[in-house]
Amino acid sequence: GENVEQHPSTLSVQEGDSAVIKCTYSDSASNYFPWYKQELGKGPQLIIDIRSNVGEKKDQRIAVTLNKTAKHFSLHITETQPEDSAVYFCAALTVGNNRLAFGKGNQVVVIP
Amino acid sequence: EPEVTQTPSHQVTQMGQEVILRCVPISNHLYFYWYRQILGQKVEFLVSFYNNEISEKSEIFDDQFSVERPDGSNFTLKIRSTKLEDSAMYFCASSSGWDHRNSPLHFGNGTRLTVT
Repeated sequence: GENVEQHPSTLSVQEGDSAVIKCTYSDSASNYFPWYKQELGKGPQLIIDIRSNVGEKKDQRIAVTLNKTAKHFSLHITETQPEDSAVYFCAALTVGNNRLAFGKGNQVVVIP
Repeated sequence: EPEVTQTPSHQVTQMGQEVILRCVPISNHLYFYWYRQILGQKVEFLVSFYNNEISEKSEIFDDQFSVERPDGSNFTLKIRSTKLEDSAMYFCASSSGWDHRNSPLHFGNGTRLTVT
């Protein structure tokens, strides 16, 4: 089955700087890659997603890039703010399969 | 915005006991799911449910697990005889359609299950 890995496990950034989290996946048939943000005491919330026919997608301060050849995709957060502090999960969905394969999650800490 | 709600937020149980985790999916959603996350590990798919039956389940979802939609609003996960390794955060999720690309998952806040 699909295997998703996330790097780094913890990331600390100064407020205003950018944060980048990278995920790799194993199944070249995967065609949908969502990112979830989990704040303390809450469940994962979808923040952005990308399909395999697109290389980049942006929504205000967050963007996701996909490199199908290398089988990796990244989340970019610009102008980080304290409220961006959370655990971020990447996931992948394979064609014909309705189960998301998640990474372990990254703890992002934005230092004011 | 409509939410998936889960109760209780934390459940402590003794090994061998039965436990039922409860979820109220978003009201107009048709597809329901359980995922779990053991501390320090990945979020793992357990089961999906549609039209009052299981549509897909993982190898984790063995005979100790069962799901039910006992009425029009609740969706439950039962673990018949809990083991220490069942300790995890259990997330319920729902979606309006089968294809996650068009119908994203909405997660609840989770139930932390501790088996002692």
